[in-house]
Amino acid sequence: GAGVSQSPRYKVAKRGQDVALRCDPISGHVSLFWYQQALGQGPEFLTYFQNEAQLDKSGLPSDRFFAERPEGSVSTLKIQRTQKEDSAVYLCASSLALGLTGGRGKTGELFFGEGSRLTVL
Amino acid sequence: AQSVAQPEDQVNVAEGNPLTVKCTYSVSGNPYLFWYVQYPNRGLQFLLKYITGDNLVKGSYGFEAEFNKSQTSFHLKKPSALVSDSALYFCAVRGRNDYKLSFGAGTTVTVRA
Repeated sequence: GAGVSQSPRYKVAKRGQDVALRCDPISGHVSLFWYQQALGQGPEFLTYFQNEAQLDKSGLPSDRFFAERPEGSVSTLKIQRTQKEDSAVYLCASSLALGLTGGRGKTGELFFGEGSRLTVL
Repeated sequence: AQSVAQPEDQVNVAEGNPLTVKCTYSVSGNPYLFWYVQYPNRGLQFLLKYITGDNLVKGSYGFEAEFNKSQTSFHLKKPSALVSDSALYFCAVRGRNDYKLSFGAGTTVTVRA
């Protein structure tokens, strides 16, 4: 597709349920990010992939959060045993090869999907 | 650590008047700076970026931003606001040797007809 695609757009989960959020980045984009956006707040960094390698997961709030990108394309963010405080919009973004020396891609902007809004009851 | 401050939660202007959304940043070294806009129930859309060179950057939909290194600011401006500019605006910063983009809390812009 032309842009970053995320699914589901809306997810309601009961506390304690596991959820999986999918991100399909722009074709050819090496870098992929997950951000969490709480209501009325700016996006907060969760994790970063370069191809299939998860180079930074320092923003994941707890060990209940897990992200993968096994083939360097589609990524899944999984939240186990959801809690009310997990309610937020989860944004996926992709970019050309950030972090590599030289080239236009190093300075490139992030292209965001429309987000997955998670509500935990 | 890098951070962004957007001192105004809300900005209200009349259509046709100039619009300014303020942003200051903190980062180690020289910054890459970005503005994004978010419409209700939508993702973030890129508006413009400062990488190097001319301090005045022009972007989409008639927006521009001015980089001021001494004041560590990157204010977003539009000479004549439209009602359709009403949205949530985010400023973001990244260090030149970093990949992580840090966002401000956002400023809600309301343009009244």
